[in-house]
Amino acid sequence: GEDVEQSLFLSVREGDSSVINCTYTDSSSTYLYWYKQEPGAGLQLLTYIFSNMDMKQDQRLTVLLNKKDKHLSLRIADTQTGDSAIYFCVTNGNTGKLIFGQGTTLQVKP
Amino acid sequence: DVKVTQSSRYLVKRTGEKVFLECVQDMDHENMFWYRQDPGLGLRLIYFSYDVKMKEKGDIPEGYSVSREKKERFSLILESASTNQTSMYLCASTPRVPTGYEQYFGPGTRLTVT
Repeated sequence: GEDVEQSLFLSVREGDSSVINCTYTDSSSTYLYWYKQEPGAGLQLLTYIFSNMDMKQDQRLTVLLNKKDKHLSLRIADTQTGDSAIYFCVTNGNTGKLIFGQGTTLQVKP
Repeated sequence: DVKVTQSSRYLVKRTGEKVFLECVQDMDHENMFWYRQDPGLGLRLIYFSYDVKMKEKGDIPEGYSVSREKKERFSLILESASTNQTSMYLCASTPRVPTGYEQYFGPGTRLTVT
């Protein structure tokens, strides 16, 4: 079945760049998303990339998509303590269902 | 401001009780979803609905049922709550053909079954 894999934990120092990686199996995904969940809060759509794109940049966020390897990454430049959260890699099938990775907890140390 | 609301943020129930979790969206979305979130497992789809009175099983439907009598409301029912259903429950909605940013989650209901 469809699957999305990500590492569970990443720790960085404030000011460094963070890179969260994800691999997926469903090649029919038209959109690939990164959701952010802050402690005690719901999920918030952080950014997304359309499947015919290789890269998308949005301020401190850079999303890279390698369709051949089915690999998605999220780079956060100049990571701040406010970036501490769980980040979910998510793909969608053509039925509208979302497939979630396990979530990567990003810890930012001051 | 668009919204998905859930009836409770925190809920404590006893084993064997019938539990209703309600979700309401004000965006006229066709699709609605119920997930549970557990540490290290991400979000797992319990049930979803493409339209009023329609429902489809997700990946982990056992022990749950749903009801969608109105387009804006999607209810999750635990017929007889068990301790392994202690979890965070998240509701979401999307339009029929999801595009870009048009996916919204509620704040979640943390259910504890004792």
